[in-house]
Amino acid sequence: NAGVTQTPKFQVLKTGQSMTLQCAQDMNHEYMSWYRQDPGMGLRLIHYSVGAGITDQGEVPNGYNVSRSTTEDFPLRLLSAAPSQTSVYFCASSYTETQRSYNEQFFGPGTRLTVL
Amino acid sequence: GQQVMQIPQYQHVQEGEDFTTYCNSSTTLSNIQWYKQRPGGHPVFLIQLVKSGEVKKQKRLTFQFGEAKKNSSLHITATQTTDVGTYFCAGPSWGKLQFGAGTQVVVTP
Repeated sequence: NAGVTQTPKFQVLKTGQSMTLQCAQDMNHEYMSWYRQDPGMGLRLIHYSVGAGITDQGEVPNGYNVSRSTTEDFPLRLLSAAPSQTSVYFCASSYTETQRSYNEQFFGPGTRLTVL
Repeated sequence: GQQVMQIPQYQHVQEGEDFTTYCNSSTTLSNIQWYKQRPGGHPVFLIQLVKSGEVKKQKRLTFQFGEAKKNSSLHITATQTTDVGTYFCAGPSWGKLQFGAGTQVVVTP
């Protein structure tokens, strides 16, 4: 199993540009989520999904969109990039609590995004 | 809403010494998880604690869940250079995990 994969690994954008960060998992996990990591602020939840067709907002959703058309994929779209979105983005997946007794998160390798 | 706080934010440790990092929640947690992130890497799950007062060990790492299930600690004995990284605790909140800001551990040989 590849686990959780993310592309690209690095990206530089200009202010106002849009792009999609890709995330895929091959573990048949129902729950997927996106976090951003900034120095001194830990991991902050952007959006999450409890299954295909179902998404919800996390702690810092503004400026980002998500969709979940399949169990495997959970792309994150930046609508109009801003310098404040410079960060490291992690995608994570896990079994839902209804399937397992715990919800260990499996993280992807991350995408390092710089917005100029 | 629930807040998960970690102290200290930074920990400089001499190789061979012990240290402890703490995680505190404003509300009672059903469980708490700990993750480790190596420099330049991604968070990796270490352990989950569920029961009040639970203590679990992984080699030199000892994890404890408080009796009131509002705090947790990670104690590392005889620190090694391989312990370098940031340690996060995380608690569930309405089906989502809320992460603390992490304790960044630097080990001096």
